Order: sequence, then C-alpha cells, then structure tokens
Amino acid sequence: QSALTQPPSASGSPGQSVAISCTGTSSDVGGYNYVSWYQQHPGKAPKLMIYEVNKRPSGVPDRFSGSKSGNTASLTVSGLQAEDEADYYCSSYAGGNKGVFGTGTKVTVL
Amino acid sequence: EVQLVESGGGVVRPGGSLRLSCAASGFTFDDYGMSWVRQAPGKGLEFVSIINWNGGSTGYADSVKGRFTISRDSAKNSLYLQMNSLRAEDTALYHCVRGTPYSSFDYWGQGTLVTVSS
Repeated sequence: QSALTQPPSASGSPGQSVAISCTGTSSDVGGYNYVSWYQQHPGKAPKLMIYEVNKRPSGVPDRFSGSKSGNTASLTVSGLQAEDEADYYCSSYAGGNKGVFGTGTKVTVL
Repeated sequence: EVQLVESGGGVVRPGGSLRLSCAASGFTFDDYGMSWVRQAPGKGLEFVSIINWNGGSTGYADSVKGRFTISRDSAKNSLYLQMNSLRAEDTALYHCVRGTPYSSFDYWGQGTLVTVSS
C-alpha cells in the first residue's frame, strides 16, 4: 500500500492557524472513517491527537481539529503555539487488517 | 499508567533473524488489539503488523508479509514480533503500540532499534 500524501512542510505565526492535508484513495481515507493524526517531537514517540477523523482524546487541546472530504483528510491547528512545532502524521485503515501512514508534515512556528 | 517497553533490538546481518518483545502494563492487555510501527532513521512512520485482542486475527504490511510474524501472550502481558530474512531496508526503530489502524494507536513505546548491516 502506498503512503498517504502530506505536504512536506507548513508554517504559521503564533496565534495563526495552519491546515495539513492528507490525501489517499477510496481504499483507505475515502473508504473508512478511521483517520487519525499523530504529533511527534524530535526524539520522542508519536502522540495521538485526533482519531476517527474528528475526535480528540482526553487532554488534547481543542485547538486541534480534524475533518475529511472524499479521499482527503485535514488537520487544523488553530491559535498556533510554540509547542505545536513538530512533525505531524496522518494514518488510515486500509482494509484487510492493514494500516497506512502519511508521508509526514513538519510544522514550523515562525 | 500505560507503559509499553520494547526489547530485543540489535545489529543483525542481512538474512538473519531477531525477535522483538514488548512488555505491557497499566491496562487490561486482553482488551486491546496491538500493533508494531517502525520508523527508519530520519524517515516517516510505517505500519508493520497488527494482532487483535485474542490473537485470532493478524495483518501485515506488504513489505514484511511472509517474513515477520506477530504474536501475543496474555499470561505475560507481552507482544512479540519474530523477524526473519531481514533486509537492510528493515533497519528502523520499532515501536510497540496499543491499538489498531481501525481504533487508532493511542499509546506508544519508546521503541527498540534494529540495524541490518553486514
């Protein structure tokens, strides 16, 4: 299965919003509402930020939101803060007991 | 507190084998599907394998199917990954993860490094 496509980088100033896209196919993103998003700081394990397209785990700020349209999912970070600077990965169920991750997006807070 | 602690990584020659282990604590192990996810140095995340709550259903990435085998032991609260016929491209940090691609990966271990090199 091919990796989901994400932009390599995104940036914004503190307080601004940034949106990250995650494009797949009808066999993964478009076929299931099992899209999740992960934040990874350098040298750390990934952290779950969004699951089932738009649900936030306990403890994740409501500045993080998710959505999906067709074969493309999106993560929006509103009110950017310095600690949001990290790599972000999307993930989707791909059927047949398989998953697939996105290529990753490096978010820079200017 | 949920804890996932991997072990078993190391340096192995191409064609060799390794068995990774993951000790789980802080939750009812039998209630959750578990997965392995890897990350090559400086690269992105890659799904490797999944096993459901009772071990009755498994799944593998195409890149490892036929070479890797996932298993679990509920008596020991442990997850395993038997890796055979290792290749240079299997070099990565292997994370033990609670969850599945259809439930989300909600807790991650720090990983164990596997290096395949002659």
